[in-house]
Amino acid sequence: NAGVTQTPKFRILKIGQSMTLQCTQDMNHNYMYWYRQDPGMGLKLIYYSVGAGITDKGEVPNGYNVSRSTTEDFPLRLELAAPSQTSVYFCASSYAGMGSDGNQPQHFGDGTRLSIL
Amino acid sequence: LAKTTQPISMDSYEGQEVNITCSHNNIATNDYITWYQQFPSQGPRFIIQGYKTKVTNEVASLFIPADRKSSTLSLPRVSLSDTAVYYCLVGLTGGFKTIFGAGTRLFVKA
Repeated sequence: NAGVTQTPKFRILKIGQSMTLQCTQDMNHNYMYWYRQDPGMGLKLIYYSVGAGITDKGEVPNGYNVSRSTTEDFPLRLELAAPSQTSVYFCASSYAGMGSDGNQPQHFGDGTRLSIL
Repeated sequence: LAKTTQPISMDSYEGQEVNITCSHNNIATNDYITWYQQFPSQGPRFIIQGYKTKVTNEVASLFIPADRKSSTLSLPRVSLSDTAVYYCLVGLTGGFKTIFGAGTRLFVKA
């Protein structure tokens, strides 16, 4: 199984450019997430989705947009790239999650390293 | 949201047992405790999860006292390949109600 696949792996953008980070999972997970990780720091949640057509903001949503038209795909859009968005971006997915059956572990992709100059 | 506190870093030697403790004083009744491992240039990977007492799998053990205000991840006989960052998360489910802190950087020496 491929699990969670992120593309591209690396990208350099100029200030003001836009781009979409792609994320797809083949595990039929209904929950998907986008995180960013700055050097030496933990992960911060940008956006998440609990199913197709449903998205919500995380801790640090400003400057980003998401959509979830299918169960498999959860792209992250940067409209006007800024140097503060230089980071490593991780996409993750998990199955269900609500209720007392425990915290279903998240499965992460290998990340997209984004530099904005 | 339950906040967690972990040591910033730890050093160990190959073959030793490593215990990483996480404090979560504000854990809620329905919260689970989950640990992840992250290697450089990779996404975090699930290690173990528990609610109370002790949980063991092929990789680690998780000890949770009765008051659940802390938990300890135990890695038996570490090797060089266990050098990584370890994150303790506390939350209900789904990830969006959990917070990744800075984690504990474990460095295993030969």
